[in-house]
Amino acid sequence: GEDVEQSLFLSVREGDSSVINCTYTDSSSTYLYWYKQEPGAGLQLLTYIFSNMDMKQDQRLTVLLNKKDKHLSLRIADTQTGDSAIYFCAESGGATNKLIFGTGTLLAVQP
Amino acid sequence: DAGVIQSPRHEVTEMGQEVTLRCKPISGHDYLFWYRQTMMRGLELLIYFNNNVPIDDSGMPEDRFSAKMPNASFSTLKIQPSEPRDSAVYFCATGTSAYNEQFFGPGTRLTVL
Repeated sequence: GEDVEQSLFLSVREGDSSVINCTYTDSSSTYLYWYKQEPGAGLQLLTYIFSNMDMKQDQRLTVLLNKKDKHLSLRIADTQTGDSAIYFCAESGGATNKLIFGTGTLLAVQP
Repeated sequence: DAGVIQSPRHEVTEMGQEVTLRCKPISGHDYLFWYRQTMMRGLELLIYFNNNVPIDDSGMPEDRFSAKMPNASFSTLKIQPSEPRDSAVYFCATGTSAYNEQFFGPGTRLTVL
């Protein structure tokens, strides 16, 4: 079945760049998403990329997609303490026609 | 628009009691999803509806769980009887398709003692 994997934890210092990685198994995915979950809240869409793109930039966020390796990454430039949250990648448009979420990566930003 | 509304935000109950969680979707969204989030299992899709009809309930853990969507403005997730292992945060999310952007509610934190 479809699977989306992420590392569980990442710690960075304020001002550094953060890179959160994700791997997925469904090669027929159409869209890939990054969601952010702040403490005590629901998930909120940060950005997304179509599977026919290899990069998307949106202010401090850069999404890179390596479709051959089924690898997605989210780079946050100039990471701030407000970026501390759990980040989920998700893929969709594949065989199950559902949104499949990864396990989530907890990003801790040290002042 | 107020976004997805869930109630209650917190629920503490005793084992064996019935629990009902409620969700009001964003107007115009004809897909509604129920998720459960725990530390051990992450985010799990329990069931989703399209135009008030259940489409996929393969994630519902067992017969103690049931979900309904009587109209486009309201859905419930019921657990009867509840057990301590049901303790989790339950999210409702809505959208305009099964696999495009989903808008999440704030969640209901359920504790079963």
